[in-house]
Amino acid sequence: DVKVTQSSRYLVKRTGEKVFLECVQDMDHENMFWYRQDPGLGLRLIYFSYDVKMKEKGDIPEGYSVSREKKERFSLILESASTNQTSMYLCASSFFSNNEQFFGPGTRLTVL
Amino acid sequence: KQEVTQIPAALSVPEGENLVLNCSFTDSAIYNLQWFRQDPGKGLTSLLLIQSSQREQTSGRLNASLDKSSGRSTLYIAASQPGDSATYLCATGDNNNDMRFGAGTRLTVKP
Repeated sequence: DVKVTQSSRYLVKRTGEKVFLECVQDMDHENMFWYRQDPGLGLRLIYFSYDVKMKEKGDIPEGYSVSREKKERFSLILESASTNQTSMYLCASSFFSNNEQFFGPGTRLTVL
Repeated sequence: KQEVTQIPAALSVPEGENLVLNCSFTDSAIYNLQWFRQDPGKGLTSLLLIQSSQREQTSGRLNASLDKSSGRSTLYIAASQPGDSATYLCATGDNNNDMRFGAGTRLTVKP
C-alpha cells in the first residue's frame, strides 16, 4: 500500500514563527503536492513538485515556500506564520504517468 | 479554469439503500477523474480512479462512471452501511498533473 506520512497531526504556533511541515512518501512517486483545506473553500493547491529540486506554484503560494531535496520528502515552509494560515494542510503524491493522488493524514495547524 | 460541482452537498439515507453521488465538471478535456473519501479531521482516501479513456471503474460495493462529453461522473454505492458515512469528493486531473476538487457530498447512513 502507498504510504504518505506527515510529520505532525496537530500543530500550534505563534504569529511570526517559522513553521516546517514535512511529508514523506514511500512509493517512489515523482509528484508531490501541498494543499490546504478550509471550510467553504475546499482543497486549494499551494505548491507541487514533479522532481527533486523542482517546484511549481499552485493557486495560493503567497506566504509559503517548499523544499524537495530528496525524492521521498517534500517540505512546506511558512516563513512567518500568520493567523490566516490556520488551516488543515494535506500532502499528496503520485506517479507522473497517471497522477492517481494518494494523501497523507493531514496536519491541522493553528496560528495564534 | 475547470470547475467541479458536487450535488447534493449533504445526503442522509437509511442503511441498506443504494445511492448515487453526482459530480459535474465544466471542461471535458480531462486526463482522469478520481473519487475520494474523507472522514472528519482526516486526510483523503483514494477510492477509484477513472482514466479519460474509460467509462467506469468498480471496487467492491462502489462503482464510478464517467461521461466526458457531458461533463459528469457518478459514484454508486450499493447496500450502504453506517461505516460508509463520510464526505465523498471528486477531482478531475489534466495532463499537467493539475487536479481540481469538488466541495464534496457529506453522506450519513443511518442504522
